[in-house]
Amino acid sequence: DTGVSQNPRHKITKRGQNVTFRCDPISEHNRLYWYRQTLGQGPEFLTYFQNEAQLEKSRLLSDRFSAERPKGSFSTLEIQRTEQGDSAMYLCASSLGDGFNQPQHFGDGTRLSIL
Amino acid sequence: AQSVTQLGSHVSVSEGALVLLRCNYSSSVPPYLFWYVQYPNQGLQLLLKYTSAATLVKGINGFEAEFKKSETSFHLTKPSAHMSDAAEYFCAVASGSARQLTFGSGTQLTVLP
Repeated sequence: DTGVSQNPRHKITKRGQNVTFRCDPISEHNRLYWYRQTLGQGPEFLTYFQNEAQLEKSRLLSDRFSAERPKGSFSTLEIQRTEQGDSAMYLCASSLGDGFNQPQHFGDGTRLSIL
Repeated sequence: AQSVTQLGSHVSVSEGALVLLRCNYSSSVPPYLFWYVQYPNQGLQLLLKYTSAATLVKGINGFEAEFKKSETSFHLTKPSAHMSDAAEYFCAVASGSARQLTFGSGTQLTVLP
């Protein structure tokens, strides 16, 4: 179990630029989640995949946000035309199985700073 | 929608003292509850989860939580605080077809020497 890996750990970019984050889940985990965490708050659910299918994306914050998991393994989260309010920690988590009590395992996150 | 409320955004205890972090849930069905810990600039680490098999749940690092349906609570405790316990703690509930976690706003635990 090598854990959930996220890259990059930090991203600094200018307003208006596009950014892409990568998440490598625990290898046998079929579910992959993206969350956003702003300062002083708990993580907020954005979207999730079961294998390669994105089954919930209504919580994505705007149409500037998109996510993919092309082969059911790693996933990317892209933000287009970044805005100041996008500055946050973006967390990825993965889990095995479909039960409500299956714990989600989190990566260390990508911290995005918009100049 | 299911939700959790964490009372007390900051809690300070002396090293060796009891730790009590409060979490109340709002759910009309049996909730699936979790406690996570977050150290600075890191992701969240699972401390423990409630699975309905037992009302007292033991987790890692000496933490435990008791599920009380009558009080809709799932408070986290540790008998004796250690300096390494200083971190932010989040209570969460799993719900929806996505099984997504809804988190409380967190409690920052400070351990005083």
